[in-house]
Amino acid sequence: GAGVSQSPSNKVTEKGKDVELRCDPISGHTALYWYRQSLGQGLEFLIYFQGNSAPDKSGLPSDRFSAERTGGSVSTLTIQRTQQEDSAVYLCASSLNSGGGRKTQYFGPGTRLLVL
Amino acid sequence: AQSVTQPDIHITVSEGASLELRCNYSYGATPYLFWYVQSPGQGLQLLLKYFSGDTLVQGIKGFEAEFKRSQSSFNLRKPSVHWSDAAEYFCAVAPAVYGGSQGNLIFGKGTKLSVKP
Repeated sequence: GAGVSQSPSNKVTEKGKDVELRCDPISGHTALYWYRQSLGQGLEFLIYFQGNSAPDKSGLPSDRFSAERTGGSVSTLTIQRTQQEDSAVYLCASSLNSGGGRKTQYFGPGTRLLVL
Repeated sequence: AQSVTQPDIHITVSEGASLELRCNYSYGATPYLFWYVQSPGQGLQLLLKYFSGDTLVQGIKGFEAEFKRSQSSFNLRKPSVHWSDAAEYFCAVAPAVYGGSQGNLIFGKGTKLSVKP
């Protein structure tokens, strides 16, 4: 079946511009996660959705970062007024259910963001 | 706080040789443990996972891992490495919180594997 998809695969933007990154989870997966992967910081958790609500936003690095999920499916991560330190690979993952951390997360290919 | 340590940043092995990648975690109880592999420009692919039961778990591509509670370790092994195994390997832990909202993975920094012909 189809896995997690993300778009765009690559994004180059200028400092100060806003960007939107999209994630399509595996059909039927109720939990959705965003992570950021950068050279200096490794893989960092950003935000988690259960359905359309986000019980855990603890990893968002600043108020320039926001995310939403509609229809319990597609999610968009928005970064406003991008900075060069936002350059990273943004990974999305989904799972059947996040309860107890038991459920396995399946990752998309990521969006590589470069802020000039 | 939970943490995951992968002590080896980069390992080089010869094709056909055995492999062991180390992973240590810090957590108050038995967590859920995972190994993922990432090829260049790709996302993360799950190799194997440990939740409970038999401490030796088998995964895809001929990999296995052993959970050792006394050492807080979950090392990944493969008896004979193939050139296609060259990639970056990540160990991850998820807190075992029943009924809670936590579910995000905490990752180690990764170990890059190079394979010599």
